[in-house]
Amino acid sequence: KQEVTQIPAALSVPEGENLVLNCSFTDSAIYNLQWFRQDPGKGLTSLLLIQSSQREQTSGRLNASLDKSSGRSTLYIAASQPGDSATYLCAVDNQAGTALIFGKGTTLSVSS
Amino acid sequence: DTGVSQDPRHKITKRGQNVTFRCDPISEHNRLYWYRQTLGQGPEFLTYFQNEAQLEKSRLLSDRFSAERPKGSFSTLEIQRTEQGDSAMYLCASTIARTAGTDTQYFGPGTRLTVL
Repeated sequence: KQEVTQIPAALSVPEGENLVLNCSFTDSAIYNLQWFRQDPGKGLTSLLLIQSSQREQTSGRLNASLDKSSGRSTLYIAASQPGDSATYLCAVDNQAGTALIFGKGTTLSVSS
Repeated sequence: DTGVSQDPRHKITKRGQNVTFRCDPISEHNRLYWYRQTLGQGPEFLTYFQNEAQLEKSRLLSDRFSAERPKGSFSTLEIQRTEQGDSAMYLCASTIARTAGTDTQYFGPGTRLTVL
């Protein structure tokens, strides 16, 4: 059974810092890995999708890497801003390639 | 706004009542998913449709839950005889299934259910 773990559960940083969020998964037989952002009480916004054949994806200040063989992904946020404060969720598709399996998320707080 | 809409956004009901939620996906998307999210947890998969066919159901989807997607457009999720443990955010997502595996899923704002 696929399990996704995110570390740390919460993170507080001052504005301007670079930071790394970690995601690990137990079964390396995935098709894709996605990073989402969720603001309190809201739905999910897709940030980056990494296909299993790719090693990384970049969008603006965000960079996500995937090491499928070791079951790990990282989300790097450069020059953090207060507007980055949210919960960041990592998800992989299951072995059937249908639904997403999520971690519990990392709640990020960036102070000005 | 991702283009996926859900109605209602909030629902408060008494234990034992039936509730129904609606999801309108992005129009050209052929796959539609339902997830449930409780406080402090990531979303958990409930069920998904390819066009009008319900292809997979999670063991979380007890017999009190039923979902439909008539004509492969909008979808409804009904919970009968609600229990306090059903209190959660119910999220809908849609995507185009172009290749094997999962493409980017676009999520709606969710329906928050509170069962008193």
